Amino acid sequence: NAGVTQTPKFQVLKTGQSMTLQCAQDMNHNSMYWYRQDPGMGLRLIYYSASEGTTDKGEVPNGYNVSRLNKREFSLRLESAAPSQTSVYFCASSERTADPNQPQHFGDGTRLSIL
Amino acid sequence: RKEVEQDPGPFNVPEGATVAFNCTYSNSASQSFFWYRQDCRKEPKLLMSVYSSGNEDGRFTAQLNRASQYISLLIRDSKLSDSATYLCVRMDSSYKLIFGSGTRLLVRP
Repeated sequence: NAGVTQTPKFQVLKTGQSMTLQCAQDMNHNSMYWYRQDPGMGLRLIYYSASEGTTDKGEVPNGYNVSRLNKREFSLRLESAAPSQTSVYFCASSERTADPNQPQHFGDGTRLSIL
Repeated sequence: RKEVEQDPGPFNVPEGATVAFNCTYSNSASQSFFWYRQDCRKEPKLLMSVYSSGNEDGRFTAQLNRASQYISLLIRDSKLSDSATYLCVRMDSSYKLIFGSGTRLLVRP
């Protein structure tokens, strides 16, 4: 009963380092999303993938890249980490983007600190 | 102005109390609305969708007022386990979710 799995759960980076956050879902969902959550800001959409082979920018895409590797996996890459990217990152998936009755299911989150 | 605004709280209520949260949104073209619940250091989970006619799920009642652009969540007979942050969410015209920053609820014994 895995649902949406994110790795790693915690990570500390130095400014300028790169890393990739991994996300996989086993619900055969078409759509996947990456959010960041900062204190007092709510969740903000970084990138999303409506279906395999497509990706689109969300509200705060600068400094990030994504790859929809296959239907199951959607990764988020920080090429050159900055302290402003310290946050909790959530991956989510849903059956279809354009269906208001299909809730998004979230992973446990990745807590990322950049020094 | 934030697209979805919520009172951050915390709302501190005794067990058994009734508590209500409001949320306002700025985009009148919003199609759908939801309440998500988020426990401390956990992921958000869908609590309920919000329909124009109002809807109820056990102790929880959600209402949508499109004319005034707000939604509400009413929790009756509060339980200790209701302590969490409640996120107001709207779906925009591109079917993306826009989250409020959340209202924190603390239910005390």
